[in-house]
Amino acid sequence: QKEVEQDPGPLSVPEGAIVSLNCTYSNSAFQYFMWYRQYSRKGPELLMYTYSSGNKEDGRFTAQVDKSSKYISLFIRDSQPSDSATYLCAMTGVTGGGNKLTFGTGTQLKVEL
Amino acid sequence: GAVVSQHPSRVICKSGTSVKIECRSLDFQATTMFWYRQFPKQSLMLMATSNEGSKATYEQGVEKDKFLINHASLTLSTLTVTSAHPEDSSFYICSARDSGRGHYGYTFGSGTRLTVV
Repeated sequence: QKEVEQDPGPLSVPEGAIVSLNCTYSNSAFQYFMWYRQYSRKGPELLMYTYSSGNKEDGRFTAQVDKSSKYISLFIRDSQPSDSATYLCAMTGVTGGGNKLTFGTGTQLKVEL
Repeated sequence: GAVVSQHPSRVICKSGTSVKIECRSLDFQATTMFWYRQFPKQSLMLMATSNEGSKATYEQGVEKDKFLINHASLTLSTLTVTSAHPEDSSFYICSARDSGRGHYGYTFGSGTRLTVV
């Protein structure tokens, strides 16, 4: 079983839709959670980050963490064609400096006109 | 914001030759850098973690003699693929950690598409 599970998609939605992306994880030591967006043939860019359980909102994006269920989500409101990309969840623990990130497989999202 | 520059973005080389990929943190010092490999439609696979001034730590299954990593300064890490073969063709991505930004301070380069012919 992988430490982080993420549905690879592809997920296709119409412009303006609300998108829900999710990851589950098995390692209770994870406390820092991130969502990265990766366009084709580019490196990932940090989109959202949260610590422990709770919600965080930034513009059209909302990140949620439920540590009791080991489940994290990213919601995109009013989705745009420019949101079409692969979204990767990532997480790390508190074992000191230089922690490595554990990634999900990424969900490919396509927002259609 | 934190910027990581990775070069080259694309490289084609002949089988048996070596290729060097550079990763530079432009506006912060990175004591730790990470090298990943990514296959089409798959996630990032961590190859190794490099700390400035010390030997890299390789993940299980990654050949350290084939993938040479050097992190000689706080702003530069290099990955050299030695005696490259077609199966080494992949997308390689580096990441640098800005410790000043806490647990979220991971910035990625734009990746290098390596094709071995």
